[in-house]
Amino acid sequence: KNQVEQSPQSLIILEGKNCTLQCNYTVSPFSNLRWYKQDTGRGPVSLTIMTFSENTKSNGRYTATLDADTKQSSLHITASQLSDSASYICVVSAGNNNDMRFGAGTRLTVKP
Amino acid sequence: KAGVTQTPRYLIKTRGQQVTLSCSPISGHRSVSWYQQTPGQGLQFLFEYFSETQRNKGNFPGRFSGRQFSNSRSEMNVSTLELGDSALYLCASSARGRTNTEAFFGQGTRLTVV
Repeated sequence: KNQVEQSPQSLIILEGKNCTLQCNYTVSPFSNLRWYKQDTGRGPVSLTIMTFSENTKSNGRYTATLDADTKQSSLHITASQLSDSASYICVVSAGNNNDMRFGAGTRLTVKP
Repeated sequence: KAGVTQTPRYLIKTRGQQVTLSCSPISGHRSVSWYQQTPGQGLQFLFEYFSETQRNKGNFPGRFSGRQFSNSRSEMNVSTLELGDSALYLCASSARGRTNTEAFFGQGTRLTVV
């Protein structure tokens, strides 16, 4: 069973709308949680990184939240743009050795 | 500052051949990690190198190997290629490879095995 579960698998929204992507994890001991954006055929690009003590972090129109008690994170995208169409990957690091566990990603499509 | 550079970007090989992929990390970064990404399996960790030493290894067969040079550049080798090795191979560099340090990915090498 994957230790990082993302939902939904895919999502289609209209340009200008908001959306929220979910990430649940069972990774332990928790070190940090990252959200990456990956355009098709390209490498992932970091959006946010959060440690245990942080519960909200923003990067422009992207806002990530973390609830370390329930082991849940969300990525909220505000006023979506066509360029937001990509896969969003949740990555949880375990322990002290940067052992990264990847979610399967959510494929977001923004339509005009 | 230049980003992570992977070469080549695209590669087509025949089953049974071997292949070497290269990754140049961001200047000053000493940790390089390699990942395989396929549509069915998502991103899977291959191995991590730090200061020329393999520090972590994922669950891949021995056909997959790597090394890191004194200038932190890393190579990944896959021998006796199989059709299932077709994937996007990504490398990521970080300053120390430890917790809470940012990992920066390259654009990847798209390997197709025919």
